[in-house]
This record gives sequence, C-alpha cells and structure tokens, in this order.
Amino acid sequence: AQKITQTQPGMFVQEKEAVTLDCTYDTSDQSYGLFWYKQPSSGEMIFLIYQGSYDEQNATEGRYSLNFQKARKSANLVISASQLGDSAMYFCAMREQEENSGNTPLVFGKGTRLSVIA
Amino acid sequence: KAGVTQTPRYLIKTRGQQVTLSCSPISGHRSVSWYQQTPGQGLQFLFEYFSETQRNKGNFPGRFSGRQFSNSRSEMNVSTLELGDSALYLCASSLNTDEQFFGPGTRLTVL
Repeated sequence: AQKITQTQPGMFVQEKEAVTLDCTYDTSDQSYGLFWYKQPSSGEMIFLIYQGSYDEQNATEGRYSLNFQKARKSANLVISASQLGDSAMYFCAMREQEENSGNTPLVFGKGTRLSVIA
Repeated sequence: KAGVTQTPRYLIKTRGQQVTLSCSPISGHRSVSWYQQTPGQGLQFLFEYFSETQRNKGNFPGRFSGRQFSNSRSEMNVSTLELGDSALYLCASSLNTDEQFFGPGTRLTVL
C-alpha cells in the first residue's frame, strides 16, 4: 500500500497567488515526521518544511506552511504569494519512528509538478 | 558550511560495467542515505549508513552496495549495470534523526 499519496500530478498557479499541494499518508505508528521537499530541474532536493506527529501547531517556514490534519492523515503544503522560481517538483515524505528499531528511511510520494504562470 | 557534495555529477556507462558514486556529507553529519530516482518508480531508498555501519537497506538487488568511511564520506557501487539502473542517485546526510539534506545527485546513464 502507498504510504504517501500525492493525487495532483501537476498544478498551475498564477504568480502572487497561494496554492495548496495535497499529501495524505498512511501509518499505524504514533510517532512520525512529515517533510516537504522541492526539486527544481537541476535535480537537487531542497528541504522546505517539517511537521512532527506530536506537534500541535502547524509548521510554517516563510511562505511555506503545512496544513496538518492528523485525524485525516493529511499534510498539505501551502505556498503563499507564489513566485516564478517556485516552479518545480514538490515531494511529500514521511519518516516513521519505530520503538525498537528507530527511524525508518524517508518514504516519498510521487510528487506534484507546480508551474507558476506570470 | 559546505553542503552535501556528490561526484561525479554525470556518468555514462555501458551494460555490464560497474560504477562507484561518491558522497561527502555536511561536516559533522554522521548519517548518509542513498536514494534512486527514476521516472517510473519515483524516489526509492537504497541504504543508510551511520558511523560506518549500514543501518537500513532498501529492496534492491545485491548488485547495489555501499560503504561509509571513518570521515563519514560514503560510496555506493553498482556492479553489472543494467539499462534500468539509469537514474538520478541522490545522497542525503543528517545530523539528527529528522531533517535530511540532499546533494545535487549523480545522473547515471547506462547504454
């Protein structure tokens, strides 16, 4: 079963508008972390934002915020005031923390390609 | 502070050859993970090393191997290359158990 599901293969947004990229996850662990990465055409994965399963507040980093809805197992990324440089692939990822064996490797979704239009 | 570096950035090999990729983590980071990214399979975990020990391994054949040196630098090796091994290979390092910092990747093409 897919652990991370990103249902939007591609999204378009007008410059200066906000956009939400969807991510749902599947885990039976109580302790886990959720990540969003940006991958421009150069290939490098750029860390954007992190949300821990026990964090009560939604994470924010500048123009990025994570809409964390634990009961629905969703961790959507919101980008405010989109810029042309935001055009890239965006990946949602999860890392579970297992009691006896520690953290599991990052598991990534298939990604969403965001295109910002001038 | 320098980021994660990977060498080479681009590589072209033929089927049956073997290849070694290198990753230098951020100074002070002891954990190094490797991922393979292909259009069809997406990002898949290969292995993770911590203090020269393999801590986790993904579901890849034995042709894929890795190691980590005492200075935390890591190498991964792929033997008997197949066309399907063409991919972007990403290395990530981390200080703690949460955030991973990725390098620019090595793009391997197998002809």
